[in-house]
Amino acid sequence: QVQLLESGPGLVRPSETLSLSCTVSGESIRSNYWSWIRQSAGKGLEWIGRIYSSGNTNFNPSLKSRVSMSIDMSKNQFFLNLTSVTAADTAVYYCAKDSPDSMWFLTWFDPWGQGTLVTVSS
Amino acid sequence: EIVLTQSPGTLSLSPGERATLSCRASLSVTSRYLAWYQQRPGQTPRLLIYGASSRATGIPDRFSGSGSGTDFTLTISRLEPEDFAVYYCQHYDSLPPTFGQGTKVEIK
Repeated sequence: QVQLLESGPGLVRPSETLSLSCTVSGESIRSNYWSWIRQSAGKGLEWIGRIYSSGNTNFNPSLKSRVSMSIDMSKNQFFLNLTSVTAADTAVYYCAKDSPDSMWFLTWFDPWGQGTLVTVSS
Repeated sequence: EIVLTQSPGTLSLSPGERATLSCRASLSVTSRYLAWYQQRPGQTPRLLIYGASSRATGIPDRFSGSGSGTDFTLTISRLEPEDFAVYYCQHYDSLPPTFGQGTKVEIK
């Protein structure tokens, strides 16, 4: 079955860019949406945004000015960049598969990666 | 943005008891576009319910979801030891999808 695995630095300095990758195994990332979600003690679970295999994206308006996403079909990976980070961006970051079974343009998330803790600190 | 408010914050129950968790939306959720997840300590969220009442693959039938509009409920008919966890609701009605703050089901 499909599995997702996040990777990237565990520590990022304030004002720098947080960059994470998600490697998908068990199926092609083609023809589906893939999301990034984060979880912090202060804000709980927060959807960051999603990317389609074509490169089409949707972002949370609260983060839109700082977020970008990309995809590498050849490596079955997708990526998150979050610029100008502060301590408020400290969280566990998850990548997740948007379910293709929804009859709507949005959907639920299944499965999720194991998550990676990113701490923003000098 | 639709805000989801879950109650209670913590539910203290014994194994074998029935758990009833509430998720209230600030605006009506179209066509029951609501999901529920379980998160055990140190683990990743696991999908339980989608479409307000459809169980995900492999989820025991003691878990059931109901509701529409602004009021949704997750019921666990008889708590098993592995059910003590935090539960989250999530809507997918409109951008951005949002999550409730969670209900912790703890052993009494």
